[in-house]
Amino acid sequence: DAGITQSPRHKVTETGTPVTLRCHQTENHRYMYWYRQDPGHGLRLIHYSYGVKDTDKGEVSDGYSVSRSKTEDFLLTLESATSSQTSVYFCAISEWSLQSPNEKLFFGSGTQLSVL
Amino acid sequence: GEDVEQSLFLSVREGDSSVINCTYTDSSSTYLYWYKQEPGAGLQLLTYIFSNMDMKQDQRLTVLLNKKDKHLSLRIADTQTGDSAIYFCAESRGNDMRFGAGTRLTVKP
Repeated sequence: DAGITQSPRHKVTETGTPVTLRCHQTENHRYMYWYRQDPGHGLRLIHYSYGVKDTDKGEVSDGYSVSRSKTEDFLLTLESATSSQTSVYFCAISEWSLQSPNEKLFFGSGTQLSVL
Repeated sequence: GEDVEQSLFLSVREGDSSVINCTYTDSSSTYLYWYKQEPGAGLQLLTYIFSNMDMKQDQRLTVLLNKKDKHLSLRIADTQTGDSAIYFCAESRGNDMRFGAGTRLTVKP
């Protein structure tokens, strides 16, 4: 596996509580992504980052925020968790660029989040 | 609905060929990908094809691309029980990857 670590691997929380998931990479890749995986929906992009302090929204960004203060760390925060945010969350990295647009993604092992 | 569509299930016998199909929507996609996900793990890049190619072969894997019909397929020759997994088709739209819902391949001995 590429050097991507997600923490925690499992999390159970209650509705209305804040939750932060962490993604750490050792590959020095510029791009980092947060996806959620739900049955029948494949993976859907939540937010991504194209550099330190540079982030943008994905397809399903409502209810989520992100931060990237260092190249190696990308945090996903659920400010007030809801049951609809129960999902498996994957972090991914890539070296995409205009000069090298092959967006090969390398994924972490995922975080199973349950919101009760 | 999904922009990228795949059938959800495929079951084959060990030793047979598996063909997983995918349709995508963006004719400007530069690259198309196949990822494999084993239970409890993240997705692993299996193979990819550049949009100006019709076919790519990599050992037991053959990718066919029909740009006119926006159809992508993955053929696995001599399918083994270790090939049992979920296979995702994905299209790259610049810096945005869109995934299908995944095809669960079951290989029976």
